[in-house]
Amino acid sequence: IAGITQAPTSQILAAGRRMTLRCTQDMRHNAMYWYRQDLGLGLRLIHYSNTAGTTGKGEVPDGYSVSRANTDDFPLTLASAVPSQTSVYFCASTERPGRTEAFFGQGTRLTVV
Amino acid sequence: GENVEQHPSTLSVQEGDSAVIKCTYSDSASNYFPWYKQELGKGPQLIIDIRSNVGEKKDQRIAVTLNKTAKHFSLHITETQPEDSAVYFCAGPGAGGTSYGKLTFGQGTILTVHP
Repeated sequence: IAGITQAPTSQILAAGRRMTLRCTQDMRHNAMYWYRQDLGLGLRLIHYSNTAGTTGKGEVPDGYSVSRANTDDFPLTLASAVPSQTSVYFCASTERPGRTEAFFGQGTRLTVV
Repeated sequence: GENVEQHPSTLSVQEGDSAVIKCTYSDSASNYFPWYKQELGKGPQLIIDIRSNVGEKKDQRIAVTLNKTAKHFSLHITETQPEDSAVYFCAGPGAGGTSYGKLTFGQGTILTVHP
């Protein structure tokens, strides 16, 4: 089934550890996005990529990095996790940057302790 | 980036009533206006969208209206049912320049439909 896949589904992480959240899509979409969703705060854009080889900063990029080596993969890395990064993380993709339907992964629930 | 404001943050209605959620945006060059529904434990899913060349679009019980002059678009749900209970988001992409492709979402509206 075509779509967007995130891994892991959930993770408990010790503060200070490095963690990479994986996101893969098989729809050949040009643009990909990472969001965090905290209780009562909606979806906040962390980083995005309009096409392979390019990335941009969203609303809350501090403490996170991304790379877009190819069309399908868009990993999100927390270099040194802190408790405030406890959240649900969603990856999404669109065929064209920001102007077509966004498809979301199932989310990664991350707890930093 | 695009500044998107969504209201209300919560909405409670009786089954069969109508619900309206409004979203305002800042970038006059925006031309794509989607609405997403998020059910508990899932990622958001598109329910309806509209482009700037039309003023209204309907799909069964849901509709979206666009007022480009006032820079707002609204989601209308008629004959609400308990399964409409969810969180609804509007989205507004950055139209150009350094904001190109920066897909941001409104704050979300928690809709509760009481049987």
